[in-house]
Amino acid sequence: GNSVTQMEGPVTLSEEAFLTINCTYTATGYPSLFWYVQYPGEGLQLLLKATKADDKGSNKGFEATYRKETTSFHLEKGSVQVSDSAVYFCALSDRGSTLGRLYFGRGTQLTVWP
Amino acid sequence: DTAVSQTPKYLVTQMGNDKSIKCEQNLGHDTMYWYKQDSKKFLKIMFSYNNKELIINETVPNRFSPKSPDKAHLNLHINSLELGDSAVYFCASSQAIGDYEQYFGPGTRLTVT
Repeated sequence: GNSVTQMEGPVTLSEEAFLTINCTYTATGYPSLFWYVQYPGEGLQLLLKATKADDKGSNKGFEATYRKETTSFHLEKGSVQVSDSAVYFCALSDRGSTLGRLYFGRGTQLTVWP
Repeated sequence: DTAVSQTPKYLVTQMGNDKSIKCEQNLGHDTMYWYKQDSKKFLKIMFSYNNKELIINETVPNRFSPKSPDKAHLNLHINSLELGDSAVYFCASSQAIGDYEQYFGPGTRLTVT
């Protein structure tokens, strides 16, 4: 079946530190991969996506590369800011499915201190 | 010009009551969803509709009934509320079924006492 596994949080960093949040997946088909972010008190919003192997998604200084050989889509940022404090969700969609559902990981809470 | 809106934002009610949460999207999308987020932030899909047709109906109690009067609206009615129903409920929409970004509403925090 389809599933996503994320590193458990919480993750606490100082401002300007390097961030990695690990994400691995299992998929029956050929998935697209996403990172969504949820800021406090808000709904989720798409941060970045990648649709095929070796694609790199990037946005707001965050990057993630679709690695088919390791079934991974790790999120990275070179220098985090206090405003990056949020919950980050890795997700996949099975493009071969007619259901169009997203499979989410359990989320990783990131807190950045000044 | 909110893309996906939900009402109410907070809902506090007693066990056994019946309540509804409304969702509207002004993006012209065909597909809408309901998710439940528990206290540990775990997101679980409950339902999805495409052009008012039910597509996904996950294993949820039949006390939960979605209704889509038109493509822009997907409401969630909950009968006989239980303590375990306390959660944040998110509505979302996407352009169509498939590999499309989902746009989420701000959530409705339901507390059952």
